[in-house]
Amino acid sequence: GAGVSQSPSNKVTEKGKDVELRCDPISGHTALYWYRQSLGQGLEFLIYFQGNSAPDKSGLPSDRFSAERTGGSVSTLTIQRTQQEDSAVYLCASSLGDLYQETQYFGPGTRLLVL
Amino acid sequence: QKEVEQNSGPLSVPEGAIASLNCTYSDRGSQSFFWYRQYSGKSPELIMSIYSNGDKEDGRFTAQLNKASQYVSLLIRDSQPSDSATYLCAVLTSGTYKYIFGTGTRLKVLA
Repeated sequence: GAGVSQSPSNKVTEKGKDVELRCDPISGHTALYWYRQSLGQGLEFLIYFQGNSAPDKSGLPSDRFSAERTGGSVSTLTIQRTQQEDSAVYLCASSLGDLYQETQYFGPGTRLLVL
Repeated sequence: QKEVEQNSGPLSVPEGAIASLNCTYSDRGSQSFFWYRQYSGKSPELIMSIYSNGDKEDGRFTAQLNKASQYVSLLIRDSQPSDSATYLCAVLTSGTYKYIFGTGTRLKVLA
């Protein structure tokens, strides 16, 4: 079946612009995760959704970042007033069940470059 | 102190040897531990998960957990050139909904 998909695959934007990144999880997966990976760095966990609810948003880097999930499926990560330090690969993952036990399946990522 | 620490490498091993990858973590209450493999330019994929002290084996991979020492490792037996990748250790911290990843160890298996 189809895996996790993300769009766009690449995004170049100017400093100060807003960007919206989209994630389509695997059908039937209730949990969804957003990560950020800067060049040569490990993954930075941003936020986790169980259904449409995010129990803890403290992983988001600043108040310019927001995320939502609707219908227990598609999620969007929005970055307002982008800065150059936001340049990174943004990865989305989904899993069948809860945070603790289930394998996470990653999408191909969105490569964001802020000029 | 970083919450999850890994040696960045590269760790070079000859084909057929055992590769040993190590990870330490700072949150003593952590309960869930994961190893991911990431090929260059690709997304991570889960190799192993481990939740209790001791060893867990899956094919050529063995994860080892020692909560008292706050240490988790991954052994790859009969290493193959196709195992060359970056291996990321991840810890689910206690009382939160956050995975903390190490920066990864780059493994090179020499043919």
